[in-house]
Amino acid sequence: DIQMTQSPSSLSASVGDRVTITCRASQGISNYLAWFQQKPGKAPKSLIYAASNLQSGVPSKFSGSGSGTDFTLTISSLQPEDFATYYCQQYNSYPWTFGQGTKVEIK
Amino acid sequence: EVQLVQSGAEVKKPGESLKISCKGSGYSFISHWIGWVRQKPGKGLEWIGIIHPGDSDTRYSPSFQGQVTISADKSISTAYLQWSSLKASDTAMYYCVYTSGDYWGQGALVTVSS
Repeated sequence: DIQMTQSPSSLSASVGDRVTITCRASQGISNYLAWFQQKPGKAPKSLIYAASNLQSGVPSKFSGSGSGTDFTLTISSLQPEDFATYYCQQYNSYPWTFGQGTKVEIK
Repeated sequence: EVQLVQSGAEVKKPGESLKISCKGSGYSFISHWIGWVRQKPGKGLEWIGIIHPGDSDTRYSPSFQGQVTISADKSISTAYLQWSSLKASDTAMYYCVYTSGDYWGQGALVTVSS
């Protein structure tokens, strides 16, 4: 199985901060990488697919980059509604696997 | 608009069987993979497996192979996740997912307790 490792596991940030979350794959996955946002008590929501493509309706403050084994999710200016847990997922090969999640909290 | 609507919450006893469902609409059900994801209370997301309703090609995570069965009935655009003998450790929220996660069902909470 491909292991997905996110860092950090949690972070505290202020409104307006630029936040970057990293996801590393244990082997190359080309650009078959998605990012999800999950708020408490809600289903995850897709933010980005194919490493850098924004899902329809997702604000442009979210951006993704990377290819191969190293990927990043950036939130350009953190807003109150962005406090949530973020997950990466590889879908290059079965079994598809998720990172352990990054919880973004208010400082 | 793609929608995935899951069956409701379930409370079961250890050893009982269960089949939960996920009805797809707003797209060609037989043309797109549909998967299942587990989330235990307070924990992260775990990928269970995926099925292509058109030909029933199914892939499982080794962690779940033999523990659950994924199926689909294309005549009613519905995918299923089933257990033959539930354990307390199966207590979790279960989500169905369109392809690689573009759309998610609302989730079905399964509680297994004696």
